[in-house]
Amino acid sequence: DQQVKQNSPSLSVQEGRISILNCDYTNSMFDYFLWYKKYPAEGPTFLISISSIKDKNEDGRFTVFLNKSAKHLSLHIVPSQPGDSAVYFCAASANRDDKIIFGKGTRLHILP
Amino acid sequence: AAGVIQSPRHLIKEKRETATLKCYPIPRHDTVYWYQQGPGQDPQFLISFYEKMQSDKGSIPDRFSAQQFSDYHSELNMSSLELGDSALYFCASSFGRGSGANVLTFGAGSRLTVL
Repeated sequence: DQQVKQNSPSLSVQEGRISILNCDYTNSMFDYFLWYKKYPAEGPTFLISISSIKDKNEDGRFTVFLNKSAKHLSLHIVPSQPGDSAVYFCAASANRDDKIIFGKGTRLHILP
Repeated sequence: AAGVIQSPRHLIKEKRETATLKCYPIPRHDTVYWYQQGPGQDPQFLISFYEKMQSDKGSIPDRFSAQQFSDYHSELNMSSLELGDSALYFCASSFGRGSGANVLTFGAGSRLTVL
């Protein structure tokens, strides 16, 4: 059973516009959420995280929003840049000392 | 800065053979995680080690075993390989246990192909 779901396998966004990647989770014990970015032939790279005690965390062009009641989080990238083209994995853990569970990923294409 | 080193990067084996993947964590990182990513799939957690002891176990088949050595490097041993074992195997490391307090840093992965 998929505990972390990314229902959009791919997303195309015009350069300069906002990219919004969505993620849903089923395990109510999850209390820490992360986004990882992956380029071809490289391992996933940590991008941004959010604790369940917050509903928003911002780092430069990247903002993660968490809606605990809906068990939903999203990653906003604004403005989108060509180098943002990659696969984005949503991940979650049940506590800060636990393994992380990944979603299937969303491939983001930034169009010129 | 030194990253997580995985070797080999690519490995081709026949069915029923044995394979060993190695992971060298970032210096001073004491926790290692192994993930398996099949084609079109999400990375699946296999096993983790903290201070050379197994700390958590996920969907690792009984045919697989792993350990963390005194220098904190880890090896994943896979025996009686099956076609379905073909995947990208990621190793990640952190200082201290935890995906939250201590972000996992991933290696580039080892791609295993079983023929």
